[in-house]
Amino acid sequence: KNEVEQSPQNLTAQEGEFITINCSYSVGISALHWLQQHPGGGIVSLFMLSSGKKKHGRLIATINIQEKHSSLHITASHPRDSAVYICAVGRRDDKIIFGKGTRLHILP
Amino acid sequence: DSGVTQTPKHLITATGQRVTLRCSPRSGDLSVYWYQQSLDQGLQFLIHYYNGEERAKGNILERFSAQQFPDLHSELNLSSLELGDSALYFCASSVGAGGGLGEETQYFGPGTRLLVL
Repeated sequence: KNEVEQSPQNLTAQEGEFITINCSYSVGISALHWLQQHPGGGIVSLFMLSSGKKKHGRLIATINIQEKHSSLHITASHPRDSAVYICAVGRRDDKIIFGKGTRLHILP
Repeated sequence: DSGVTQTPKHLITATGQRVTLRCSPRSGDLSVYWYQQSLDQGLQFLIHYYNGEERAKGNILERFSAQQFPDLHSELNLSSLELGDSALYFCASSVGAGGGLGEETQYFGPGTRLLVL
């Protein structure tokens, strides 16, 4: 079993829809990150969370430490949000584990 | 543009060869992280350096080695290359020592695409 599981693996939605991507982990962590990988390959760090909730524009990330679960939400989705979204956790031994990613495709 | 530079952008080489990938962190960042992304394994953490010292090691093969120099740039050396080493290699930097990805935002370079034939 992977230490970090993401769902769904693939998601296609219409422009304007509310998107939720989930991440569950099974290890103790110091924090969790959401990354966005563009079709060209570049990676951008969206959020770093150790508790609670963060918001940046149309993106919202939440984490529940007790349940070992995080969600990334996109409101009013747009075709430019099409990318792979990756959940990554920093373990307490300083190692970093990545989920396999969620491929999001927003149709105009 | 994240401010992290990686060279070369693309590299094609043959099995058994040795290559060096270079990473320059953002100005002021002391930590450099190396990652490998292959089609079958996804993103994997290789190694983390902070101010010249190895801080954490992940799934880095013995054929691979890295170092961070006094000017804070880092090099990842891959030797005795195999077909399975073909991947995208990213480096990232952050300001301080971090704790894995735990405590600081990381800024990713554009990656080096390695093809081993």
